[in-house]
Amino acid sequence: NAGVMQNPRHLVRRRGQEARLRCSPMKGHSHVYWYRQLPEEGLKFMVYLQKENIIDESGMPKERFSAEFPKEGPSILRIQQVVRGDSAAYFCASSPLGEGGYTFGSGTRLTVV
Amino acid sequence: DQQVKQNSPSLSVQEGRISILNCDYTNSMFDYFLWYKKYPAEGPTFLISISSIKDKNEDGRFTVFLNKSAKHLSLHIVPSQPGDSAVYFCAQEGGQGAQKLVFGQGTRLTINP
Repeated sequence: NAGVMQNPRHLVRRRGQEARLRCSPMKGHSHVYWYRQLPEEGLKFMVYLQKENIIDESGMPKERFSAEFPKEGPSILRIQQVVRGDSAAYFCASSPLGEGGYTFGSGTRLTVV
Repeated sequence: DQQVKQNSPSLSVQEGRISILNCDYTNSMFDYFLWYKKYPAEGPTFLISISSIKDKNEDGRFTVFLNKSAKHLSLHIVPSQPGDSAVYFCAQEGGQGAQKLVFGQGTRLTINP
C-alpha cells in the first residue's frame, strides 16, 4: 500500500513561471491537505480538499495560488507567476475520514530562481 | 489568534537519557494535540497525540503530558536512541475536528552516542 505520493520531489522555476505540484493520496483516502514549510519554520496549513470540493482554503494566499482535487487523478496545487518568496517545501497529507493524525507525503521542494 | 510555540530550536541529549521537548499554546478552545517527527527530505510522521480529557498518553518510549492550566505540553522520550535524532513538531487542531493543524516551529533533537 503506497503512501502519499508527491511529485516532483524537486522543482525549479524562474520568477514569473507557473509551478504545478501533484499529490496522490493513500488508497482509500478521500481527504487531502496541503501545507507549506518555509525555511526554519513550522508547517503552515494552506488548504483542505475532498474530491471535487474545497472545504477550507483559509491558509491559501489570496492571489496566484489555487488547488483542486478532481474526481479522477491527483490533487494539484498550482502557483502562478512564482516569486522568490514562494520557495519552500510543500507537503501534502491525506486521511480517510478527515481526522487528525493523517499521513504526509515526502514533499515537493520548490526553488524559484 | 491561535499560536503554537516551541521555544527551543534545538536540543542535544546523550543516548540512553531522557529527551524532553516542550510546547506552549495560546488557544484553549481546541483540545487535541499531536506530535510529529521529521527526518531531512521526508514528510512529517505522526508520533503520538493527546486530547484534553487526558493529561498523559503513553506509547512505548514516548509519553506526552498535557498541562491545561499552563497551556503547555511536553514529549518525553526515554531511553533516547540515535534514531530519534530528527526535528519534532508539536501541533494543535485548528478547528473542524483535527482537519487543520497549527504547527510549532519545531525542535531539532540530536542524540549523542
